[in-house]
Amino acid sequence: QSALTQPASVSGSPGQSITISCTGTSSDVGGYNYVTWYQQHPGKVPKVMIYDVSKRPSGVSNRFSGSKSGNTASLTISGLQAEDEADYYCCSYTSSSSYVFGIGTKVTVL
Amino acid sequence: QVQLQESGPGLVKPSETLSLTCTVSDYSITNDYFWGWIRQSPGEGLEWIGTVYHTGTAYYNPSLKSRVTISIDTSKNQFFLNLNFVTAADTAVYYCAREASRRSGNFDYWGQGTLVTVSS
Repeated sequence: QSALTQPASVSGSPGQSITISCTGTSSDVGGYNYVTWYQQHPGKVPKVMIYDVSKRPSGVSNRFSGSKSGNTASLTISGLQAEDEADYYCCSYTSSSSYVFGIGTKVTVL
Repeated sequence: QVQLQESGPGLVKPSETLSLTCTVSDYSITNDYFWGWIRQSPGEGLEWIGTVYHTGTAYYNPSLKSRVTISIDTSKNQFFLNLNFVTAADTAVYYCAREASRRSGNFDYWGQGTLVTVSS
């Protein structure tokens, strides 16, 4: 299974909104409403920011939101803050009863 | 608060078997959750290895399936990873994690990770 496609990097100024895309196929992203987004700061453990495409775990800022259209899922961060600078990975369930991650996107706050 | 801790050798020789243990604390692994292994090669992205349920039913990454076995010992509140015939490409930080529900991909609690280097 191939990794999901994400942009290598996305940047924005404080207060702006950015969107990270995650493109797969009908056998993964497009076929199921099971997309999770992880945030990982350098040297730290990944943290769930969004699960089941658009659900936000308790304690995660409502500045983070998720959506999906066809074979592409998206994570939007609004009101960008310095602490949002990190790597972000999407993860989807697949038709092989497995999971596939995205290649990761580095978010830079200018 | 669920706590997970990986343990095992930090150095494995090529062609040998990588064996890791994940010890779960403050939570019974027989509760209705799944338990998984994920790895991250240095400077690279995340890769799901596999997931096990307390019944012993396991699911594997198709690309690793021929070399991987994940098992569980409910009496010790532990689950295990065995990866056979390792190469340098298997050098990575290995994480164990709790999967909130099957198919969700929502790994909500993670261990700190353990670096395993494959080298002679």
